Amino acid sequence: EPEVTQTPSHQVTQMGQEVILRCVPISNHLYFYWYRQILGQKVEFLVSFYNNEISEKSEIFDDQFSVERPDGSNFTLKIRSTKLEDSAMYFCASGGTFYEQYFGPGTRLTVT
Amino acid sequence: EDKVVQSPLSLVVHEGDTVTLNCSYEVTNFRSLLWYKQEKKAPTFLFMLTSSGIEKKSGRLSSILDKKELFSILNITATQTGDSAIYLCAVEASPYGGSQGNLIFGKGTKLSVKP
Repeated sequence: EPEVTQTPSHQVTQMGQEVILRCVPISNHLYFYWYRQILGQKVEFLVSFYNNEISEKSEIFDDQFSVERPDGSNFTLKIRSTKLEDSAMYFCASGGTFYEQYFGPGTRLTVT
Repeated sequence: EDKVVQSPLSLVVHEGDTVTLNCSYEVTNFRSLLWYKQEKKAPTFLFMLTSSGIEKKSGRLSSILDKKELFSILNITATQTGDSAIYLCAVEASPYGGSQGNLIFGKGTKLSVKP
């Protein structure tokens, strides 16, 4: 069964460093999303992406964040200068024709 | 402000019991309501509901949506220890006015099924 994959599973970085989180969505999906979940809190929407551009973004998704689909398969989230409060589980999701969203296993980002 | 509220926040039952999990919502530009099961990491998709009154079933799980009263329920019959998880309700909406909706999650209901 096709699934969303994410790498790495865990990333530790120092404050101020740039990180790139990678996702491979389900191959025939057209809609892509990033969410995050701070430990013990709700899953929160960051950004949605369709047709090579951002469709929507939340207040969390400020200038430090960017997304890219550099080739036909990968979908990346870049955080330019990480802060302690960026520590969270980051989930990529992809959606098909009926907009149902399937989540990847997540990348745990720890900023020290 | 868009919100999704789940109740109860936690629930402890014994194997074989039937449980009902609740989700109410107030969102801008509602599109659909989704239920997910979250065990250790990623939410696993269970159901997507778009129409009122039409029950969706998958094995021992079923769910229904009421768009007039703005809520949904998730039923699990004959619960098993493997059903222990956090059940997340999410509403697909378009609060930022874009053409592609995004999911607004509730806090989840933590279900513990004891043998």
